[in-house]
Amino acid sequence: AQSVAQPEDQVNVAEGNPLTVKCTYSVSGNPYLFWYVQYPNRGLQFLLKYITGDNLVKGSYGFEAEFNKSQTSFHLKKPSALVSDSALYFCAVRDGDRGSTLGRLYFGRGTQLTVWP
Amino acid sequence: EAGVAQSPRYKIIEKRQSVAFWCNPISGHATLYWYQQILGQGPKLLIQFQNNGVVDDSQLPKDRFSAERLKGVDSTLKIQPAKLEDSAVYLCASSFTGRSTDTQYFGPGTRLTVL
Repeated sequence: AQSVAQPEDQVNVAEGNPLTVKCTYSVSGNPYLFWYVQYPNRGLQFLLKYITGDNLVKGSYGFEAEFNKSQTSFHLKKPSALVSDSALYFCAVRDGDRGSTLGRLYFGRGTQLTVWP
Repeated sequence: EAGVAQSPRYKIIEKRQSVAFWCNPISGHATLYWYQQILGQGPKLLIQFQNNGVVDDSQLPKDRFSAERLKGVDSTLKIQPAKLEDSAVYLCASSFTGRSTDTQYFGPGTRLTVL
């Protein structure tokens, strides 16, 4: 069965410091991995995805994520956090072997990131 | 490029009433998804359309929920009758082809409160 774990409900960092939001996954086939961000009263905004290739994926707003197959992880990172990065972050996984139109997206419970000035 | 549009943004109803949500996907996107996001949880897929056909509705409570995408463009999700546990944000998303590699783009959601 496919699943995503975000082990931290809350991450707090000071502005200018590096941030990491953790994600581990379980999928039977090849993992396709996604990060989304959700601001209050808004839908999910796409940040980045890993499909294949380079394990380090760069995305929007200076975020990047590192795919680690042996540890089944896909942690989100940013070298220098901004107060405006404060939001709810979701990791999601899809089974890439489920066919072209099958294979639902499974989301984690989300991690609330707070960046203080 | 316009994003995914949803209406209404907020809805408050009493249990046993009915409610409908509307979604207009990004122009040209063949695949449309409805998700339910309960407070404190990640979104959960309710139903996936490919053009106007249903691809996956295995998690849709069919005794009370229904959805349609008649012309392969916009979609309506209905709940009848509503229960207290249906209180959630209902998110609509769309993707270009529906392939596993495609990015899903989300609308702002409809926040439903059932009293």
